[in-house]
Amino acid sequence: DTGVSQNPRHKITKRGQNVTFRCDPISEHNRLYWYRQTLGQGPEFLTYFQNEAQLEKSRLLSDRFSAERPKGSFSTLEIQRTEQGDSAMYLCASSSQNFGYTFGSGTRLTVV
Amino acid sequence: EDKVVQSPLSLVVHEGDTVTLNCSYEVTNFRSLLWYKQEKKAPTFLFMLTSSGIEKKSGRLSSILDKKELSSILNITATQTGDSAIYLCAVLDQGAQKLVFGQGTRLTINP
Repeated sequence: DTGVSQNPRHKITKRGQNVTFRCDPISEHNRLYWYRQTLGQGPEFLTYFQNEAQLEKSRLLSDRFSAERPKGSFSTLEIQRTEQGDSAMYLCASSSQNFGYTFGSGTRLTVV
Repeated sequence: EDKVVQSPLSLVVHEGDTVTLNCSYEVTNFRSLLWYKQEKKAPTFLFMLTSSGIEKKSGRLSSILDKKELSSILNITATQTGDSAIYLCAVLDQGAQKLVFGQGTRLTINP
């Protein structure tokens, strides 16, 4: 296991389409996080899972966003009816009880 | 609301110079402060600071936390062009362990 893996690396979509991103965390990490980073800003927290339970969601996560982590392994982040303001880098991270906070390489979303 | 502020937002220096990046925070449930380096992709971990006044070093980089002043600095000595990146400061929340990031300092090292 070489780290946190995210797919796809890049996604270009038309406004109004739905998109789904996947994150595979480090296998022994029970916590999984999604962050969003726009140009010139630091990453902003979106949501957090401990095992399969989604424990916290940011106010940034509108009704068009949904995240799942079935079976407490990989996670998906879906954005419905994309808007141009959704264009950003979506970062996934995982951690364990003893910390080990590791980020994936991100999925860069461009909504045209 | 939890807040992390970094300064300066942008810094341009010559190779060989020493730089100091600043981070201040207002966080309700502080656990640790972390520094990351971000080039084109994901942030890569540099330091985690939990105790005040204890300097952490890695090569030419060092960092220290001041919990009384709610701040931290990251020093880079004898800078090289490969140090050019965005440096992110983040505070780890005690409960959910989510990270609250500053907006980053864009460091450019000119040869």
